[in-house]
Amino acid sequence: NAGVTQTPKFRILKIGQSMTLQCTQDMNHNYMYWYRQDPGMGLKLIYYSVGAGITDKGEVPNGYNVSRSTTEDFPLRLELAAPSQTSVYFCASSLRGQGTGELFFGEGSRLTVL
Amino acid sequence: AQRVTQPEKLLSVFKGAPVELKCNYSYSGSPELFWYVQYSRQRLQLLLRHISRESIKGFTADLNKGETSFHLKKPFAQEEDSAMYYCALSGNTGRRALTFGSGTRLQVQP
Repeated sequence: NAGVTQTPKFRILKIGQSMTLQCTQDMNHNYMYWYRQDPGMGLKLIYYSVGAGITDKGEVPNGYNVSRSTTEDFPLRLELAAPSQTSVYFCASSLRGQGTGELFFGEGSRLTVL
Repeated sequence: AQRVTQPEKLLSVFKGAPVELKCNYSYSGSPELFWYVQYSRQRLQLLLRHISRESIKGFTADLNKGETSFHLKKPFAQEEDSAMYYCALSGNTGRRALTFGSGTRLQVQP
């Protein structure tokens, strides 16, 4: 039981490049989330999903896209990378909705945009 | 709007000393409060939630609605308590978004 797995762990991008952060969970959780954490700041919600085929914006969605074609996978897409997207990204899942159930986190993905 | 404030970026104590990690919140309704912890080279994980009224690893946290605080306390710090601690708040209506504080690094020195 691996829990929540994120790849890659580290990535350097040039301005304007695109990439996808992968996230998969093997706990059969309906709820999945993407957060970003900037230095010295708390985690901010980018997007979340309450089940396959359903996604919704969080607090800071601009510049990102997500999809949820299966219960297990919740990839985060950056289309035109900008320096402001330099951050640590965390994927998480939960059996119940955030704020009601325990969130299980991935190890994080450190992205640098130069 | 809901907000969580953790005023200390770093708290350094000696082993055996009491610990209090401060968390203040802003929310107009009745919130649900949580403490998450990240030990070195480990994932962020739930430590405790106020509705459970539990003590985990010797830590407790009491919700004080009058002072809008949810401070995390432990009477005798251990070296293995060294970690980043995040306070988080959930509203009790609508999307119930979880708002995290900026975190406090606890260093327990021998």
